[in-house]
Amino acid sequence: AQSVTQLGSHVSVSEGALVLLRCNYSSSVPPYLFWYVQYPNQGLQLLLKYTSAATLVKGINGFEAEFKKSETSFHLTKPSAHMSDAAEYFCAVSRPFAGNQFYFGTGTSLTVIP
Amino acid sequence: EAEVAQSPRYKITEKSQAVAFWCDPISGHATLYWYRQILGQGPELLVQFQDESVVDDSQLPKDRFSAERLKGVDSTLKIQPAELGDSAMYLCASSPGTTDTGELFFGEGSRLTVL
Repeated sequence: AQSVTQLGSHVSVSEGALVLLRCNYSSSVPPYLFWYVQYPNQGLQLLLKYTSAATLVKGINGFEAEFKKSETSFHLTKPSAHMSDAAEYFCAVSRPFAGNQFYFGTGTSLTVIP
Repeated sequence: EAEVAQSPRYKITEKSQAVAFWCDPISGHATLYWYRQILGQGPELLVQFQDESVVDDSQLPKDRFSAERLKGVDSTLKIQPAELGDSAMYLCASSPGTTDTGELFFGEGSRLTVL
C-alpha cells in the first residue's frame, strides 16, 4: 500500500522567508515522488519529481525537494518566498511500473505575508 | 504546448439532474484519469483508463457515476442523478503510459455546484 502524509494543512511565511512544506510517504517499493501546485480554480501543475536519480531535485520557480529514504520524507523547500507562491501544494506518490497509480496527500495551503 | 482540455469549466445544476464532463487528453497519451477534488482536500481517483480499457474504477460510485473512453482518446464522465455531495472539482489528467516516469498532466478542471 502507498500513501503520503502532508504535515500542516496551512503554512504561513513572510515574503522573503524560507518555505518548508513537509511530506512523508509510505511505500512497499521504491516510489516515485512528486510535488504539484494548484492555484485557485485551476488544475495541478508539476513543480518537481523524484524518479530514483539524484536525491536532491530542483523544480520550477526556485523550489527543490530532497528524497530521504531513511526518513521516508520528500519535503519541499524554497529559500525565499514570493507573493506569487501563495497556492495549494500537493505531494504525490506513484508506482509507474505497476499501473502508474497516483496517490495524493491532502494538501498544504501556503500563505505569503507581505 | 500540448494541454489537457476539459469542459465545461463551471457547471451549476440542481440535485437529481444529470451532468456530464468531457476531457481530451494530450495527443498520444494512453493513460487517462478522472479525479474528484472536494474543496480543501487532495484529488481522489475516480477512474483510470489505459487506452479504452478501465484499469481502476474501484472508487467510482457506480450507482450514479459512469465513465467511458470509447475510442481510447477523449473521455466523458457522467453523473446521474447529481447529489449535493457531488459538488467538487472534477479533474482530468493524462500520462503517456504505465511505464514512463509517471508524471500526470492535468487539465484546468470542471467545477460542479449542485444546488
